[in-house]
Amino acid sequence: EADIYQTPRYLVIGTGKKITLECSQTMGHDKMYWYQQDPGMELHLIHYSYGVNSTEKGDLSSESTVSRIRTEHFPLTLESARPSHTSQYLCASSMGGSGYTFGSGTRLTVV
Amino acid sequence: GQQLNQSPQSMFIQEGEDVSMNCTSSSIFNTWLWYKQDPGEGPVLLIALYKAGELTSNGRLTAQFGITRKDSFLNISASIPSDVGIYFCGGSGANSKLTFGKGITLSVRP
Repeated sequence: EADIYQTPRYLVIGTGKKITLECSQTMGHDKMYWYQQDPGMELHLIHYSYGVNSTEKGDLSSESTVSRIRTEHFPLTLESARPSHTSQYLCASSMGGSGYTFGSGTRLTVV
Repeated sequence: GQQLNQSPQSMFIQEGEDVSMNCTSSSIFNTWLWYKQDPGEGPVLLIALYKAGELTSNGRLTAQFGITRKDSFLNISASIPSDVGIYFCGGSGANSKLTFGKGITLSVRP
């Protein structure tokens, strides 16, 4: 049973809409991450957080933003979705450098 | 930035065969992780390695943390059809950020 949850699993949305992808974990992990992955391709880190009120941009530039108000919650927001944002978004968490666990992902399609 | 190299991009094997994958890095890592990803799902952790030279098994899977801390190997023995998927290696250093290789797509012919 998954201890890190992402919703929605699938989302089709029109250009210009604001969206928030949810990620929650019940493991008490201090670190959380967002990765972007095109089908069959590598994972790119776009945001990470080492704790409450701590967020950093990852290795791949992204127009999305994140927040970490609670330990267990790490939502990702796109203020104005565009077709170029179409991708799979994967959330992960870890305790220090161990226990790195992924959610099932949100597959986003912007039309 | 840190880079992980996985090759080849695809591997095709016969059911029952053993297969070996390796992952190399330009940087030293403190942790090596191997994941398997099925289509439309998130990566699932197969084996975690935390010490140089460590050799760990998980059923038919065996992985090793290279002595130089710049490489790792994953072996799958007696492959079965459900081994099909994309295998990613990941490495993290002192900052705990996990960097991934590009993945190897494994196909198993029955």
